[in-house]
Amino acid sequence: DIVLTQSPGTLSLSPGERATLSCRTSQTFSNNYLAWFQQKPGQAPRLLIYDASTRATGVPDRFSGSGSGTDFTLTISRLEPEDFAVYYCQVYGDSPRPFGRGTEVEIK
Amino acid sequence: EVQVVESGGGLVQPGGSLRLSCTTSGFTFGDYAVSWVRQAPGKGLEWIGFIEKKAYAGFTDYVASVKGRFTISRDDSKSIAYLQMNSLKAEDTAVYYCTRDSGWLHYNWGQGTLVTVSS
Repeated sequence: DIVLTQSPGTLSLSPGERATLSCRTSQTFSNNYLAWFQQKPGQAPRLLIYDASTRATGVPDRFSGSGSGTDFTLTISRLEPEDFAVYYCQVYGDSPRPFGRGTEVEIK
Repeated sequence: EVQVVESGGGLVQPGGSLRLSCTTSGFTFGDYAVSWVRQAPGKGLEWIGFIEKKAYAGFTDYVASVKGRFTISRDDSKSIAYLQMNSLKAEDTAVYYCTRDSGWLHYNWGQGTLVTVSS
């Protein structure tokens, strides 16, 4: 099974700064079927990015996804107060659909 | 508006059973697959299984840790999916989320229901 490794575990940044989150997979997989989710405390996750780089409906363009093969990145160009949350990557397109352990973006 | 609402969580003893429901509205339920994802307290997300739409024979699959103990089913006439959980263990304690899937993606999530396995 594919294993997803997210880094760093915690990212301490200030509003307005750029956030770069990494997700590495243990093997390649089909069609760049990698998604990113945002989860705020006490809330359900929200789909942000799919197919590695396509923003979901309603997601602000400060969020962008990139990567291929086994290395993927979620970038938040300028952090807004509402962006401080935990972010998970996931491989889909087959079973099982593993998630990474998450990266917490916290206010510095 | 798409709505997904989980229910049925609660406290259950180890070895016991529980059935969760995922009640949906705002879309044609039969046209979509449904997944269940759980999150142990303070931990990350774990996909535990899914059920395909009837057009794909309602195929189901599960993560290894629940295979043989958990069963996902659906009632398209009621727009509801179910997660039957048997032989529950302490490590099954989690918030259980139901998702509407499209193209294997978890597009819409419910708010989750908490299952606590403890004596």
